[in-house]
Amino acid sequence: GQQVMQIPQYQHVQEGEDFTTYCNSSTTLSNIQWYKQRPGGHPVFLIQLVKSGEVKKQKRLTFQFGEAKKNSSLHITATQTTDVGTYFCAGPGYGGSQGNLIFGKGTKLSVKP
Amino acid sequence: EAQVTQNPRYLITVTGKKLTVTCSQNMNHEYMSWYRQDPGLGLRQIYYSMNVEVTDKGDVPEGYKVSRKEKRNFPLILESPSPNQTSLYFCASSLKRINNEQFFGPGTRLTVL
Repeated sequence: GQQVMQIPQYQHVQEGEDFTTYCNSSTTLSNIQWYKQRPGGHPVFLIQLVKSGEVKKQKRLTFQFGEAKKNSSLHITATQTTDVGTYFCAGPGYGGSQGNLIFGKGTKLSVKP
Repeated sequence: EAQVTQNPRYLITVTGKKLTVTCSQNMNHEYMSWYRQDPGLGLRQIYYSMNVEVTDKGDVPEGYKVSRKEKRNFPLILESPSPNQTSLYFCASSLKRINNEQFFGPGTRLTVL
């Protein structure tokens, strides 16, 4: 079945270092969403990418959608302790279902002050 | 305040005792969904609903039931819970289909003994 794979599973960085998480789909995606889940919290929507090659920025966060619309990345510049959490990508399920959403397993980011 | 609420937030029960986890949203969203989150497995979709009286299976529907009699409510029913259903459950809603920002509830931590 369709898979959305995310790497790395864990990332430990020193505060101020950059961080990147990658998301790869086994099929072409019509769009991809990114969510952040703080420890003990619920997922919170960050952004949605729709166009091939799209790049969007939110302050220190940069999101990219691959040209083939099968991969995406989230890059955080100069991490801060407030960036701690798990970052998930999610894409529509394959096969015509308009309601099935598949999440990657997430990248858990820890930031050492 | 726009929100998704879930009840209960924590539940410990025994195998075979039917239970219902309620989910309600006050944003007039058409789309609602249930996910379970397990360590190392990320978020997996259980069931979703595109609108009132329209529900469909996600990736892990076995052992669960849902109903959508009203737009605001989307309860998750475990007719005969088993220990492998011990998990953290999230309800989510979005304006229309999955191509919209999903708003997550605070989560329900379920333990089945």
